[in-house]
Amino acid sequence: DVKVTQSSRYLVKRTGEKVFLECVQDMDHENMFWYRQDPGLGLRLIYFSYDVKMKEKGDIPEGYSVSREKKERFSLILESASTNQTSMYLCASRRQLGAQETQYFGPGTRLLVL
Amino acid sequence: AQTVTQSQPEMSVQEAETVTLSCTYDTSESDYYLFWYKQPPSRQMILVIRQEAYKQQNATENRFSVNFQKAAKSFSLKISDSQLGDAAMYFCAYRSYRGSSNTGKLIFGQGTTLQVKP
Repeated sequence: DVKVTQSSRYLVKRTGEKVFLECVQDMDHENMFWYRQDPGLGLRLIYFSYDVKMKEKGDIPEGYSVSREKKERFSLILESASTNQTSMYLCASRRQLGAQETQYFGPGTRLLVL
Repeated sequence: AQTVTQSQPEMSVQEAETVTLSCTYDTSESDYYLFWYKQPPSRQMILVIRQEAYKQQNATENRFSVNFQKAAKSFSLKISDSQLGDAAMYFCAYRSYRGSSNTGKLIFGQGTTLQVKP
């Protein structure tokens, strides 16, 4: 079974702090994604990576950056956390074999910025 | 740009009965994939069912089936013989076929919370 893990289930941070959210997958997937989930808005793509050191902006990249130094790990960075970044963050991974390939999700990190 | 709309924020169903969740989408593309994902409370999101747009036959997975109406751009999920474990948030999602072998980007709807009453 594919396993996607996220470093924390819950995080509380203060405004202005630098925040790191880590995601690790164990299936040698090329593609990895970061989404944020907000009530009434569904999931929105922040960034994705289609290979090591390769990244591309999603629909809402402002205020975020990412790092992918190793294939299995994809980090989301909030350079200076703000209260409007309070949200649920979901990581996903996928094989890059074809359009039919499924995304597998992590359990999510619920971030509260005070 | 493609959009996905789920107009039912909440639905409820009696255990053992059937419920249908609605999803509409907008696209100018002819080739794409549609998905339903399930997110149980405090648990990971999992794929329920997938439909390829080029297939006329509706996808089925055990108690889950879809009604795919390509011309109407409608993609509803039917859950038969509902069980307590079906209680979750359900998301409809779209993926373009073109270029998606590299990116796999999904576009999600707003989600529908399904309550199953015993």
